[in-house]
Amino acid sequence: DIQMTQSPSSLSASVGDRVTITCRASQHISNFLNWYQQKPGNVPKVLISAASNLQSGVPSRFSGRGSGTEFFLTISSLQPEDYATYYCQQCYGTPTFGQGTRVDI
Amino acid sequence: QVQLQESGPGLVKPSQTLSLTCSVSGDTITNNLYSWNWIRQPAGKGLEWIARIFAGGSTNKNPSLGGRTEIALGTTKNQISLTLTSVTAADTAVYFCVRSTYNVNSYFDLWGQGILVTVSS
Repeated sequence: DIQMTQSPSSLSASVGDRVTITCRASQHISNFLNWYQQKPGNVPKVLISAASNLQSGVPSRFSGRGSGTEFFLTISSLQPEDYATYYCQQCYGTPTFGQGTRVDI
Repeated sequence: QVQLQESGPGLVKPSQTLSLTCSVSGDTITNNLYSWNWIRQPAGKGLEWIARIFAGGSTNKNPSLGGRTEIALGTTKNQISLTLTSVTAADTAVYFCVRSTYNVNSYFDLWGQGILVTVSS
């Protein structure tokens, strides 16, 4: 199994802040990495696929980068609707998720 | 519009078998563009992928579940089933039926609303 480790587990930020979440894979996974957002009571929503490919309809303040074993999700200017939990997920092997990063005030 | 709907018992006794069904509307599960997955989430915790099945019937399962899972296509009813044997309290979670794109960089693009399953005597 490929283990995915996110950091931090949680963070507090203010509206307008730049926020970066890190995801590390236990082995090389090229760019086979997706990011999801989950708000309380909702199902996860894919934000970014293939490490940096922004999904249709996702605001451009979200961006992803990385390759190999280290990946980053950045929110350039945090908005009220961005308070949520974010998960990375690798699709190099059988799927595994990071443990999640909760973003709150 | 494609929709996924999970169904099954909300309460299962320890050591028994959990059986869930996902009904797909708006598309056919034999569509080679997708695979069909089960993912679960204990209350307040993260996401755990359980298993997937492709249109041709091939499957992959999470080895951490120790061979307790079976996933199958019900082609006559456009459904995907999940069976989890010898359940314990640790299997209490919301279970999601999820569609995944079937390409080089696959991702989970469509989720059912989820069904809460509680394991308790």
